Amino acid sequence: KQEVTQIPAALSVPEGENLVLNCSFTDSAIYNLQWFRQDPGKGLTSLLLIQSSQREQTSGRLNASLDKSSGRSTLYIAASQPGDSATYLCAVRRGGGTSYGKLTFGQGTILTVHP
Amino acid sequence: KAGVTQTPRYLIKTRGQQVTLSCSPISGHRSVSWYQQTPGQGLQFLFEYFSETQRNKGNFPGRFSGRQFSNSRSEMNVSTLELGDSALYLCASSFRTSGADTQYFGPGTRLTVL
Repeated sequence: KQEVTQIPAALSVPEGENLVLNCSFTDSAIYNLQWFRQDPGKGLTSLLLIQSSQREQTSGRLNASLDKSSGRSTLYIAASQPGDSATYLCAVRRGGGTSYGKLTFGQGTILTVHP
Repeated sequence: KAGVTQTPRYLIKTRGQQVTLSCSPISGHRSVSWYQQTPGQGLQFLFEYFSETQRNKGNFPGRFSGRQFSNSRSEMNVSTLELGDSALYLCASSFRTSGADTQYFGPGTRLTVL
């Protein structure tokens, strides 16, 4: 059974810092990994999708890497801003079979960026 | 393009009642998945539909059911509500059921069971 763990559970940083969020998964047979952000009481916003054949993806100040063999992904946020405050979730999709639609989520990292 | 829409946004029910939640995917998307989010369990997969067929189901009791219509809109139904069913129910759509596609989530329906 796939298990996804995110470390740290919460992170508080001053504005302008670069930071790294970690995600690990137990079954390396994944199809892809997706990072989301969730604002309080809201739905999920997709940030980056990394296919299992890729090593990293970048979007603006965000960079996500994937090391499938070790079961790890990191989300790097450069020059953090108060607007980045949210819960960040990573989710993996298992490869093969009929489970494409199913995402297995981590518990999330609550990020607070202070002005 | 309009995003994923879910109705209603908030719902209050009492134990034993049943409830139906609706999800309209992004235009052109044919795959719809449902997730339950609670503080204790996090996000858990309920089921996935593609072209009106259930493709995948999570570990939830039979009280949870769903369906998809020919226009890709989906509904989920929870019968005989329990206090533990209080949660944010999220719907996600993607173009295909293929794993290569990004899943786009709606704002969710907040269900409170009293």
